[in-house]
Order: sequence, then C-alpha cells, then structure tokens
Amino acid sequence: SQQGEEDPQALSIQEGENATMNCSYKTSINNLQWYRQNSGRGLVHLILIRSNEREKHSGRLRVTLDTSKKSSSLLITASRAADTASYFCATGLAGGTSYGKLTFGQGTILTVHP
Amino acid sequence: KAGVTQTPRYLIKTRGQQVTLSCSPISGHRSVSWYQQTPGQGLQFLFEYFSETQRNKGNFPGRFSGRQFSNSRSEMNVSTLELGDSALYLCASSSGLVRTDTQYFGPGTRLTVL
Repeated sequence: SQQGEEDPQALSIQEGENATMNCSYKTSINNLQWYRQNSGRGLVHLILIRSNEREKHSGRLRVTLDTSKKSSSLLITASRAADTASYFCATGLAGGTSYGKLTFGQGTILTVHP
Repeated sequence: KAGVTQTPRYLIKTRGQQVTLSCSPISGHRSVSWYQQTPGQGLQFLFEYFSETQRNKGNFPGRFSGRQFSNSRSEMNVSTLELGDSALYLCASSSGLVRTDTQYFGPGTRLTVL
C-alpha cells in the first residue's frame, strides 16, 4: 500500500521556472527521501531528510519537512529540460522492523519545456 | 565505486514459468532491498536482506522469494509466473546499519509475462 500522496500528479513548466512538488504521508517516519526516475529506468537518489530536520539543500534542490503536518516539499529552482522525469518521495518508517524498507508515493511527472 | 548492477535487464517469460533475477550491491553494502514497480500499484517493497538473512518482508505471495549470498549479492525468484507479475523489478543497496540510510537503486530488470 502507498504511504503517501504526491501533488500534483503532473507538472508542466518552462525552462528557468521553479518546480514545487508536495508529498504527504500517514504514519510517523524516521526519514524521507526524494528520488528521480527517467522513463522507467532506475531511481536516482536526490536528497534524504531526517525526521528531526526541517530543511535541506543540495545544489538547485530544496527539501522541507513538516512532521506535524506529515508533509514534505521538493523545490527545484531554475529548472532545465534535463530535469524532465518522475519524482518520488519515499518514507522510512519509525520503529519496528523498518530497516531497508521505503514506502513510496505515486510520484509527480515533471515536464520542463525548452 | 561501481553502482548497483542488475541482470538481466530484460526478460520475457510465459505464464507458469519461473524466473530468477540478480542484484549486485555497491561494494561494502550489506543490505539489499527489492521493489516491484507497476503502472497500477506503483513502487512496492518486496523484501530486504542483510548479511544473508531476510530482515523485512512486504505483502507479496510466497511465489516471490529471495536470498542473499556471503558476498552480499542477492537473487530474487518468482515461481509460477502470472500476467500480473509483469513489472520493473528494482533492487537497492545500502549499508543496512542504520534506519536513516540512503538506498541506491540499480537500473532494474524489466519482466514481461506472456
């Protein structure tokens, strides 16, 4: 079963614009990770944010986490055509036998037009 | 470091057959997780192996099984294939030592069941 919901399901923007994707989840988490997938290929890890962190940056990426609202957002600034891909949030659950298990959202399809 | 490798990249099987997929993790990683990706169900966790032991398991029928070898390489087996098993199968490796652990994915094996 899916842990999270991603919003929007699809996003179409022009090169140079910013893209924001949102992810909500249902249960307490240990960490949240964002991945990118190009055309049904493997997942590329973008950024990991721990449950005790509120914001992280990596290059043109900015991720926020609000555990009180059980939500996260991924901001890609100054987007490029090469950023066209599907983006997934994945949560590592808190407690129990959570090792090695990520629960994925349904993904956001981002299209960046040159 | 070399990334996660998966073989074969593509497979075509018929209903009732069985299939074995292979995953070689990043050198030094002891955890291998397997996921199934389909258009309808998205990315779903199958199981995770750490030091040759299955440590975590998703909600899949017993036809799906796996194992891990002493060199951390892992195999996944699906017996009595069904049409619905057609999917992209992804494996991911991590150190497996902490819950807050980045998972690095391979390129996937595309399985088509006819």
